[in-house]
Amino acid sequence: QAVVTQEPSLTVSPGGTVTLTCGSSTGAVTSGHYPNWFQQRPGQAPRTLTYDTSNKHSWTPARFSGSLLGGKAALTLSGAQPEDEADYYCLLSYSSLRVFGGGTKLTVL
Amino acid sequence: EVQLVQSGPEVKKPGESLKISCKGSGYSFSDYWIAWVRQMPGKGLEWMGIIYPGDSDTRYSPSFQGQVTISADKSISTTYLQWSSLKASDTAMYYCARHSGGYNSWGQGTLVTVSS
Repeated sequence: QAVVTQEPSLTVSPGGTVTLTCGSSTGAVTSGHYPNWFQQRPGQAPRTLTYDTSNKHSWTPARFSGSLLGGKAALTLSGAQPEDEADYYCLLSYSSLRVFGGGTKLTVL
Repeated sequence: EVQLVQSGPEVKKPGESLKISCKGSGYSFSDYWIAWVRQMPGKGLEWMGIIYPGDSDTRYSPSFQGQVTISADKSISTTYLQWSSLKASDTAMYYCARHSGGYNSWGQGTLVTVSS
């Protein structure tokens, strides 16, 4: 089974920009992996921020954007807010199966 | 409004069986895949498997194949996750999520505690 890797933790200053990445043990991440990004705050269920690389939901703040960057999936947060402090997970598709990354704990400080 | 409502928390002993549920409403239940996701205490999300309620086509992560059974009853818009013999390591929060635009709807989670 493929292993999906994320930075364990990142810190961003309020108003700053940070990029979270998501890599695959099988090689470069492509649009064919249909990358999804999720945010999970303590005690809450996850919610999707972006899907199929860069698509957003109506509830996704405009400051979040998904992309492919250097062979990885990426989630960029531009203009961090205190409420963005949370855990972030990517999910990649491998044919009919899916694999989550280990998650990134984002601190806004 | 699309909603997924999961069954309540469970406390079980090792070796016991368990079936938890996820009931969908506000959409055509048969037409969307539903995934199950595990989150062990203080840990990350793990994709367990997925089912298409329309024909009960089911796929499992290799990590969970043979360990759990995912099923669905489209007549009552409900999917299930079941264990035949629980272990202490099954202690976790379990979420269901509807696959549409990523996973755009999630259940509230079911906490399963397995302890002697």
